Amino acid sequence: GENVEQHPSTLSVQEGDSAVIKCTYSDSASNYFPWYKQELGKGPQLIIDIRSNVGEKKDQRIAVTLNKTAKHFSLHITETQPEDSAVYFCAAILYNQGGKLIFGQGTELSVKP
Amino acid sequence: GAVVSQHPSWVICKSGTSVKIECRSLDFQATTMFWYRQFPKQSLMLMATSNEGSKATYEQGVEKDKFLINHASLTLSTLTVTSAHPEDSSFYICSARDPAGGFSPLHFGNGTRLTVT
Repeated sequence: GENVEQHPSTLSVQEGDSAVIKCTYSDSASNYFPWYKQELGKGPQLIIDIRSNVGEKKDQRIAVTLNKTAKHFSLHITETQPEDSAVYFCAAILYNQGGKLIFGQGTELSVKP
Repeated sequence: GAVVSQHPSWVICKSGTSVKIECRSLDFQATTMFWYRQFPKQSLMLMATSNEGSKATYEQGVEKDKFLINHASLTLSTLTVTSAHPEDSSFYICSARDPAGGFSPLHFGNGTRLTVT
């Protein structure tokens, strides 16, 4: 089955700096990679996603890159703000096998003002 | 966007009692819903896949007789924790996908914090 590794587990940055979170996956057949932001006591919220036929996707301050050959994908947050502080999870899914989403271990991002 | 509603947001129960958690897709029909459990400072672990009109599929190590799942309609799935014990205390989160959206993402409810005393 799929296994997703996420690093780092914690990340502290100054407001305005960039933050990068990296994930690797094991199943080369996985074809969809979402990123979720989870605030304390709440469910995860989708912030960006990428399909395997795309190498990069950007949405304002957030971007995701995918390297299928190396089986890794990364989340990039630029111009970080204190409200970006949360736990971020990457995930991978093989859509045509029941669509079970497998999560990474999570990264606790702290943006210091 | 797609909205998944979960109820209750928190519940405290005594050991040995049962607790039911509801998960509703508010603006779409979900033939499949997923139930996750999350312990403090940990990732989300898939417990089971809930299929409308058929039996749920449980992940390895999850007791199907303890965590009863019913997906009686296209907008409602329920998780019942039977004979709850303190070790069942956790954050339970459901998710669903809008099949009409094609290659659409999973949307999550806001979770239910279960505390068993």
